[in-house]
Amino acid sequence: GAVVSQHPSRVICKSGTSVKIECRSLDFQATTMFWYRQFPKQSLMLMATSNEGSKATYEQGVEKDKFLINHASLTLSTLTVTSAHPEDSSFYICSAASGGYNEQFFGPGTRLTVL
Amino acid sequence: QQPVQSPQAVILREGEDAVINCSSSKALYSVHWYRQKHGEAPVFLMILLKGGEQKGHEKISASFNEKKQQSSLYLTASQLSYSGTYFCGTERAWSGNTPLVFGKGTRLSVIA
Repeated sequence: GAVVSQHPSRVICKSGTSVKIECRSLDFQATTMFWYRQFPKQSLMLMATSNEGSKATYEQGVEKDKFLINHASLTLSTLTVTSAHPEDSSFYICSAASGGYNEQFFGPGTRLTVL
Repeated sequence: QQPVQSPQAVILREGEDAVINCSSSKALYSVHWYRQKHGEAPVFLMILLKGGEQKGHEKISASFNEKKQQSSLYLTASQLSYSGTYFCGTERAWSGNTPLVFGKGTRLSVIA
């Protein structure tokens, strides 16, 4: 299957700082990538759809000014959590679709802990 | 609308079989199955498209009944490596790259 990488895999930061998470499709071009958040023992909740060259589409309840998404190229999308707070601590996962049937391949995830 | 998965959790001994169901109240175009191990990202298992097909590889297979808007994942002769949380993700229509809506997951534990 297609390979998607994420960086960093784990980050611990102080409250009020900003954190950038990168999502890369390594062996295919992804015009669309998706950002999910997963709290412990819960399902994946879609945060936003990232479109190359255009603005991201955010799900209801997700603050676009807090979770900045940039999809600068066909292989890279970034999620910046601005002014992070402890309640933003979570597992953030990106995915990219490859192939004609919308198979989605997930990155390894980034565990964010805000102190 | 989030699909409903059942059961929420199941414990199996090695070699036993299990069925995980995924139901939707809306018509579906496709159902995707993933397995996630603790602390890791979900791993794609298979996709089933509208048309009532059945797919599988090795001892894991799945079916999709579009009339019932339901998909089932079949795990036969389970192995320890099958442990994890299984999620179904659904699409209501094909329109290019669209996000999936995931169920709450079924936690499967296989014990020796």
